[in-house]
Amino acid sequence: QKEVEQNSGPLSVPEGAIASLNCTYSDRGSQSFFWYRQYSGKSPELIMFIYSNGDKEDGRFTAQLNKASQYVSLLIRDSQPSDSATYLCAVGGLSNTGKLIFGQGTTLQVKP
Amino acid sequence: GAGVSQSPRYKVAKRGQDVALRCDPISGHVSLFWYQQALGQGPEFLTYFQNEAQLDKSGLPSDRFFAERPEGSVSTLKIQRTQQEDSAVYLCASSRGDREAPLHFGNGTRLTVT
Repeated sequence: QKEVEQNSGPLSVPEGAIASLNCTYSDRGSQSFFWYRQYSGKSPELIMFIYSNGDKEDGRFTAQLNKASQYVSLLIRDSQPSDSATYLCAVGGLSNTGKLIFGQGTTLQVKP
Repeated sequence: GAGVSQSPRYKVAKRGQDVALRCDPISGHVSLFWYQQALGQGPEFLTYFQNEAQLDKSGLPSDRFFAERPEGSVSTLKIQRTQQEDSAVYLCASSRGDREAPLHFGNGTRLTVT
């Protein structure tokens, strides 16, 4: 079992719809959770981070964390074609290093 | 500069050659990470520095891989006797160093071993 698991997709949604991206993790001691977006041929860029159970909203993005279920998700409202990219879930552990473990990423396609 | 800078952007090496990949982190960032990203996969952790100290090298795939950060700023990832399976994008990231600090990635070096 991988430490951080994501469905590779592709996830295809029409423009304007809500895209839901999911991630599960195996280490119950994980403390910090990040979503990165990676366009083809580019480096990952941070979209959101969440540390506490519940929802965190930032513009069109909402991150949801459920530590009991070891589950984190990212919702993208009013999806745009420019949101088409690979979304990487990353999890940080108990150590103070900031080291992150990444999932394999989910490819999102937003169709006009 | 404002971001993490990596060089070269692309590197083609013949099998058996040694390569050196450079990373210049964001000024003041104490933590520096190297990741390896194969096509279609997420980044895989290689090694971590806090200032000049290499605190975790558990992800280095073999003893052909070596990383250093002698003055706590610029870092070099060296791969000796490259193999085809070393072909990947090598990403460098830096952060403030606390547990909740996000990683800021460079543009990566795409290594192709022929």
